[in-house]
Amino acid sequence: ILNVEQSPQSLHVQEGDSTNFTCSFPSSNFYALHWYRWETAKSPEALFVMTLNGDEKKKGRISATLNTKEGYSYLYIKGSQPEDSATYLCAFTVGNQFYFGTGTSLTVIP
Amino acid sequence: ETGVTQTPRHLVMGMTNKKSLKCEQHLGHNAMYWYKQSAKKPLELMFVYNFKEQTENNSVPSRFSPECPNSSHLFLHLHTLQPEDSALYLCASSQDLDSDTQYFGPGTRLTVL
Repeated sequence: ILNVEQSPQSLHVQEGDSTNFTCSFPSSNFYALHWYRWETAKSPEALFVMTLNGDEKKKGRISATLNTKEGYSYLYIKGSQPEDSATYLCAFTVGNQFYFGTGTSLTVIP
Repeated sequence: ETGVTQTPRHLVMGMTNKKSLKCEQHLGHNAMYWYKQSAKKPLELMFVYNFKEQTENNSVPSRFSPECPNSSHLFLHLHTLQPEDSALYLCASSQDLDSDTQYFGPGTRLTVL
């Protein structure tokens, strides 16, 4: 079993604040790194897939970076809105196996 | 309509009951997965099916029995479960085993009394 760690476990931010959180994964045998957004009582929704060291992806106010050599990825949210409140999961893949972190739970306070 | 649906959304069962969870995907994918999420733990892969054939069984106890009658449907049959099996059970699908992205259903919240 490969260990994928996410930090922090949870955070609360004010509407309009920017925030970021971290996903750490083993740097050997890297294939891809995924970010998912998971709202309560809904399906996890894929945000990004990144495969190359130095990759940066952006979707609206959300962006992600990848460092495969040191084994981490950052997810950034600019100008947080209440609708951004969700758990953000990362998953590291080796071959076709997904290894998930426990997620960062974000609450944006209006 | 979401691409992956799961029924029921909530299930309470006794340890001697037999029940089944159902997953259906409308995405034309060939691979389907069952995951378990226990409180404060990461998603754990249970089973993988590719073109209806089971390709992965991650040491799951035999009281969980999967069935994949076709590429669109996946079942998880439950029998004589234990209270520690209470968890959220998520189904996912992907185009094939080497696909970049898995698409998830909303899960079934299972409580075993």
